[in-house]
Amino acid sequence: SQKIEQNSEALNIQEGKTATLTCNYTNYSPAYLQWYRQDPGRGPVFLLLIRENEKEKRKERLKVTFDTTLKQSLFHITASQPADSATYLCALRYNYGQNFVFGPGTRLSVLP
Amino acid sequence: KAGVTQTPRYLIKTRGQQVTLSCSPISGHRSVSWYQQTPGQGLQFLFEYFSETQRNKGNFPGRFSGRQFSNSRSEMNVSTLELGDSALYLCASSLGQSQFFGPGTRLTVL
Repeated sequence: SQKIEQNSEALNIQEGKTATLTCNYTNYSPAYLQWYRQDPGRGPVFLLLIRENEKEKRKERLKVTFDTTLKQSLFHITASQPADSATYLCALRYNYGQNFVFGPGTRLSVLP
Repeated sequence: KAGVTQTPRYLIKTRGQQVTLSCSPISGHRSVSWYQQTPGQGLQFLFEYFSETQRNKGNFPGRFSGRQFSNSRSEMNVSTLELGDSALYLCASSLGQSQFFGPGTRLTVL
């Protein structure tokens, strides 16, 4: 069965630095890969979607890359701020109409 | 536009009871998915409804069921509650490939 891993369970970085989170999967590549942010006690918030035929997507300080050869997506937050501290989840959808499968998440702490 | 709403926000039940959770999607969204989130298992897919029909189902026992109404509002029901059903239950409505989650219902089973 498909397995999704996200780098470390927790990641601490200094304010102003670039945070890089990874999402690795096994077996076949998804048609769609998404990144979400989740704050404690709240539902996940959709951030970015990237399709299997796309290499990179950007939105303000966020950047997502998708490498189907490495079976990996990288999520970058540039000029990180303490307000970026949250858990970040990747989610994969293999075909349109199928459900999303979520990774375990990485808890990011941006230290002032 | 109003976001996804879920009721109730918190619920305490005892083992053996049953519970019904409600979700109102964003206006115009016809797809509603339900997830269970626990510290040990993370976010796990329960089922998805689209235009009142169950389109996908996760790997949960038959005690977990759901339905969707003609106005796209959805309910999920858990019968014969077990201690392990304590979790945050999240509903998400979709338009295309984007999912929008509600705040969740925190269910505690004693």
